[in-house]
Amino acid sequence: KQEVTQIPAALSVPEGENLVLNCSFTDSAIYNLQWFRQDPGKGLTSLLLIQSSQREQTSGRLNASLDKSSGRSTLYIAASQPGDSATYLCAVRDTGRRALTFGSGTRLQVQP
Amino acid sequence: GAVVSQHPSWVICKSGTSVKIECRSLDFQATTMFWYRQFPKQSLMLMATSNEGSKATYEQGVEKDKFLINHASLTLSTLTVTSAHPEDSSFYICSAWDVETQYFGPGTRLLVL
Repeated sequence: KQEVTQIPAALSVPEGENLVLNCSFTDSAIYNLQWFRQDPGKGLTSLLLIQSSQREQTSGRLNASLDKSSGRSTLYIAASQPGDSATYLCAVRDTGRRALTFGSGTRLQVQP
Repeated sequence: GAVVSQHPSWVICKSGTSVKIECRSLDFQATTMFWYRQFPKQSLMLMATSNEGSKATYEQGVEKDKFLINHASLTLSTLTVTSAHPEDSSFYICSAWDVETQYFGPGTRLLVL
């Protein structure tokens, strides 16, 4: 059974810092991996989706990488802003499956 | 773009009552929808897969008689929490696929007193 782990569980940084969020998964037979943002009490906002054949995806200040063989993904946030404060979730879609397996998330606080 | 809606967005109920949550795909048809549950400060966990015109598939540990799922049309799935108890208080999110893109609903927060 797929398991997804995210480290760290919480992170507090001053505005302007570059930061890295980590995600690991136990079964490398994945179809794709997705990073989401969740604001308190709200639903999910998809940030980046990486197909299993890809190594990275970029959107603005966000860059996500995928190393399928080692079961790892990182989300890099450049020049963090207070508006980036949220919980970031990593989710894996296994091959042959449409449901996602989510990590427990990283709660990010960016201090002004 | 495709949108998935949920109703209600939040609900407070007394222990022992039943609560129905609706999940709709607004501009596409979905033969399959997924129901997830998120407890405070925890991640989303898949509860069940809702299949149009057939029985839902439940994940291990989820009571099918307590969480009734009906997917009567290609745009609507409902989750009914029967005889709700305080431990059922959670954030319930549904999702649906449009071709190769998954869309999540905004979630329903349930508080059982």
